[in-house]
Amino acid sequence: GAVVSQHPSWVICKSGTSVKIECRSLDFQATTMFWYRQFPKQSLMLMATSNEGSKATYEQGVEKDKFLINHASLTLSTLTVTSAHPEDSSFYICSARMPRTSEPWSSYEQYFGPGTRLTVT
Amino acid sequence: GNSVTQMEGPVTLSEEAFLTINCTYTATGYPSLFWYVQYPGEGLQLLLKATKADDKGSNKGFEATYRKETTSFHLEKGSVQVSDSAVYFCALNPSASKIIFGSGTRLSIRP
Repeated sequence: GAVVSQHPSWVICKSGTSVKIECRSLDFQATTMFWYRQFPKQSLMLMATSNEGSKATYEQGVEKDKFLINHASLTLSTLTVTSAHPEDSSFYICSARMPRTSEPWSSYEQYFGPGTRLTVT
Repeated sequence: GNSVTQMEGPVTLSEEAFLTINCTYTATGYPSLFWYVQYPGEGLQLLLKATKADDKGSNKGFEATYRKETTSFHLEKGSVQVSDSAVYFCALNPSASKIIFGSGTRLSIRP
């Protein structure tokens, strides 16, 4: 099956520093990757959609200068949390989409990474 | 707008019990509906899906039917196992680029 990895799985950083999280599709090429944020006992909230070779599309309310997304290759997208603060502490999950050209777009499936827990002290 | 509402957990059942996790949605257009499962320490996995009204998705003994008249996609399993303990997310995709998730329901199965 399609496997997506994330690195690191957890990270603790000091307030004011920047943290980079990697998302890799291990056995398929993903033209589109997605970044989600999950608060405790809450839904996954889409932060941005990342297309290889172009700028990411951010959801309303997500600061693009704070959450820098780069999708430089078909198998790697990175999320950098810049000048992190305690309120940025959260669980960040990426997913990669493998389009099924033989089916309607509505059945496109996303494959999710295991998530990265960020704690900012 | 588009949204998903699922029953709050945690849900605790004994092994071999019948499971229902309710999910209702609001949507414009004709989205596909999904159930994802997240086992401890792992990423989300697609459990089943249905792409149009009256479709039934099924996998690993779980089933859910896309009910347009009641805007529901309830997850059911006739006999749960300890290995089914996980968090279950109901979701819909209103467009090719988005999935909207419910808040998740934690399921614990007692031996």
